[in-house]
Amino acid sequence: DTGVSQDPRHKITKRGQNVTFRCDPISEHNRLYWYRQTLGQGPEFLTYFQNEAQLEKSRLLSDRFSAERPKGSFSTLEIQRTEQGDSAMYLCASSPRTPEETQYFGPGTRLLVL
Amino acid sequence: QQPVQSPQAVILREGEDAVINCSSSKALYSVHWYRQKHGEAPVFLMILLKGGEQKGHDKISASFNEKKQQSSLYLTASQLSYSGTYFCGDFGNEKLTFGTGTRLTIIP
Repeated sequence: DTGVSQDPRHKITKRGQNVTFRCDPISEHNRLYWYRQTLGQGPEFLTYFQNEAQLEKSRLLSDRFSAERPKGSFSTLEIQRTEQGDSAMYLCASSPRTPEETQYFGPGTRLLVL
Repeated sequence: QQPVQSPQAVILREGEDAVINCSSSKALYSVHWYRQKHGEAPVFLMILLKGGEQKGHDKISASFNEKKQQSSLYLTASQLSYSGTYFCGDFGNEKLTFGTGTRLTIIP
């Protein structure tokens, strides 16, 4: 069990640039979630996939954000025209489709927008 | 609707016990407990699904009241490794809504 992995672990970018993050879930998990966490707060839900289908998006996810999960494996989260308010930790989690729905988190990508 | 946790922060000496509460004004679908250390990802501790359920492993246990509006996490004989921020999460509407968090500091 290799766990959930995310890449990159850290990203510094200038305001207005586009960034893309990748998440590789645990291989047998068919659900994948994206969360955003700012300092001192708990993770906030952004979106989730069941296999390749994106089933829900939070209203936190503005039009500048897009997520994909081609072939139901890894997922990418892209932020276009970054703003300083986008600075946060972006966490990915995966879960099997079981009654318990335990979510296992990756190490996160810390984004700093200058 | 975000679950509310109490206390917001607590400092304990090694070996002391702690109780962290998670409350909601509406019934929770299920309660997931996580611990997060600074700069790291949340680590799953346990899940409670049913009202009245109690669950535990090692020196960490949790309960879920009958109405499913409150859950408590019990840490006994705390160790330095227990330090971190604890979050409860409500798995309603197919996603986790995390609570306000409780920062636990264990000092030698």
